[in-house]
Amino acid sequence: LAKTTQPISMDSYEGQEVNITCSHNNIATNDYITWYQQFPSQGPRFIIQGYKTKVTNEVASLFIPADRKSSTLSLPRVSLSDTAVYYCLVGAGYSSNTGKLIFGQGTTLQVKP
Amino acid sequence: DTGVSQNPRHKITKRGQNVTFRCDPISEHNRLYWYRQTLGQGPEFLTYFQNEAQLEKSRLLSDRFSAERPKGSFSTLEIQRTEQGDSAMYLCASSTGAGTSGRRRNEQFFGPGTRLTVL
Repeated sequence: LAKTTQPISMDSYEGQEVNITCSHNNIATNDYITWYQQFPSQGPRFIIQGYKTKVTNEVASLFIPADRKSSTLSLPRVSLSDTAVYYCLVGAGYSSNTGKLIFGQGTTLQVKP
Repeated sequence: DTGVSQNPRHKITKRGQNVTFRCDPISEHNRLYWYRQTLGQGPEFLTYFQNEAQLEKSRLLSDRFSAERPKGSFSTLEIQRTEQGDSAMYLCASSTGAGTSGRRRNEQFFGPGTRLTVL
């Protein structure tokens, strides 16, 4: 699975838009880009997944440039409850055998009042 | 609540004791995964089941660890002769498989985890 690089931590304030960028220079043709969110003392939770261009759901948007070597998770108007660790994962594509997830350290987002 | 349950939620044991954790996945999910997470790190893959077959084990899974999924339903993870280094959160996840259509390929649903403390 492709290695990912993302900031260790970020701070924001309530109501602001937060953008977390993930680098994945060695992404393979079949790889999808997936983001998970994890609150303290809970398991990770799927947020969004994309292959190219832009994907939006009720929680976030995911922007993927044409070369797919990076991606940006965008959280609109964050609240205190968005304080969590956000993981960028690349792989587990359609042809994956096991689908196991390879997590990095993630980005710890701290939202302040 | 994701629909994946784990028991117990917390376990404190003394070094050298055996412990067993249970995971009940979402009933229609044929794939089941175990991960381990230590403080400040992302979850690390331990093992994977498709139905009742254990198809992959990480090198992290020493011979003191064993996992089963009888009948392809719930799963158990046993650690024998626990060591202080085994202290971690043990997470279970389930999914329907990598071929899921739409934009949620191989979405995994995680349980709340079992936090193990070895004294």
